[in-house]
Amino acid sequence: EIVLTQSPATLSVSPGERATLSCRASQSIRSNLAWYQQKPGQAPGLLIYGASTRATGIPARFSGSGSGTNFTLTISSLQSEDFAVYHCQQYDDWPRTFGQGTKLEIK
Amino acid sequence: QVQLVESGGGVVQPGKSLRLSCAASGFTFSSFGIHWVRQAPGKGLEWVAVIWNDGSKQYYADSVKGRFTISRDKSKNTVSLQMDSLRVEDTALYYCARDSGSGWYVINHWGQGTLVTVSS
Repeated sequence: EIVLTQSPATLSVSPGERATLSCRASQSIRSNLAWYQQKPGQAPGLLIYGASTRATGIPARFSGSGSGTNFTLTISSLQSEDFAVYHCQQYDDWPRTFGQGTKLEIK
Repeated sequence: QVQLVESGGGVVQPGKSLRLSCAASGFTFSSFGIHWVRQAPGKGLEWVAVIWNDGSKQYYADSVKGRFTISRDKSKNTVSLQMDSLRVEDTALYYCARDSGSGWYVINHWGQGTLVTVSS
């Protein structure tokens, strides 16, 4: 199965600053990568699909990039509501797999 | 709007069975694949299974293959996950989630989950 490795496990950033999260695949997944945001006690919500396409209603400060095995989620200017756990998921092959998550916390 | 409501969770002993249900509304049920994704307490997300929009295909995670069965009932707009031979490591919050297409694509809607606890 395809293993997704997210780094760092925890990222401490101040509000207003930029956050960069990484997701690396064990083999090429083309652009078939999604990013989800999950806040405490809530279900995940789709942020990015196709590695770089924002889902409906997602603010422009969220951007995704990459293809093949290396992917990045960037949040350009962190707002208080952005502090959450971020998961990447590949939908290129079966079984679908998720990364272990990156917790974005307030510095 | 899209709604996915899970039910059927509870406490069960190892080796026993449990059946989860997902009631779907707010969209054309026959047009979309449905996934189950689980999350153990304090852990990340683990994809479990998917069933195609027309029920023609199912895929499973290796960790549940041969023990879990996903099915759908188009007359009731529901998807079920039959879980047999449960193990302690199956303890998790189980989410029902809708695919953006037939079943191959990205998950774009999630339910709120139902908790399964496997314990003696």
